[in-house]
Amino acid sequence: SQTIHQWPATLVQPVGSPLSLECTVEGTSNPNLYWYRQAAGRGLQLLFYSVGIGQISSEVPQNLSASRPQDRQFILSSKKLLLSDSGFYLCAWTLRDTQYFGPGTRLTVL
Amino acid sequence: GQNIDQPTEMTATEGAIVQINCTYQTSGFNGLFWYQQHAGEAPTFLSYNVLDGLEEKGRFSSFLSRSKGYSYLLLKELQMKDSASYLCAVKVNTGGFKTIFGAGTRLFVKA
Repeated sequence: SQTIHQWPATLVQPVGSPLSLECTVEGTSNPNLYWYRQAAGRGLQLLFYSVGIGQISSEVPQNLSASRPQDRQFILSSKKLLLSDSGFYLCAWTLRDTQYFGPGTRLTVL
Repeated sequence: GQNIDQPTEMTATEGAIVQINCTYQTSGFNGLFWYQQHAGEAPTFLSYNVLDGLEEKGRFSSFLSRSKGYSYLLLKELQMKDSASYLCAVKVNTGGFKTIFGAGTRLFVKA
């Protein structure tokens, strides 16, 4: 069966510090992968999606970036975090039209 | 633009039936999802409608009318554990498939 992992589960970072969140998928090959952010009390905002290694599409211009160095690995990064980057970050993949989510990373920027 | 509307909050009583509505204005419609999200957790998949009509899955049912841009999620025999946010999401094809999420409806189930 397919499994999606994210780490860390929670993170508290100061403004201006770098960020690296990792997502890995097991049990499938060449998945479509997605990064979403959910601010407190808000809907899911699509940040990036990837259809293959090295292929990244950005949905929202901001100080975040994404990379896909391996087929089943998707990384979200920032060089300098802003207060507005706080939120719940979710990695997702698609199986037969449906998106399935990882457990998420709760990021607090202070 | 792409827009999805659903009520912000709803309250219902344990054992009752509740209907959560969702209206959408999107281009390239390719299906509609409902997800459940408990506080502090990731969304979990509930249903997927592509064609008009009602899809029943246990206590949960989902309805779609593509001509009206309307869907609802029906929850029967409400239980306390059904207290959660319910997200309506539309899959669109705009030169590539994407899923657009509504802000969600927070459902409170009271005894």
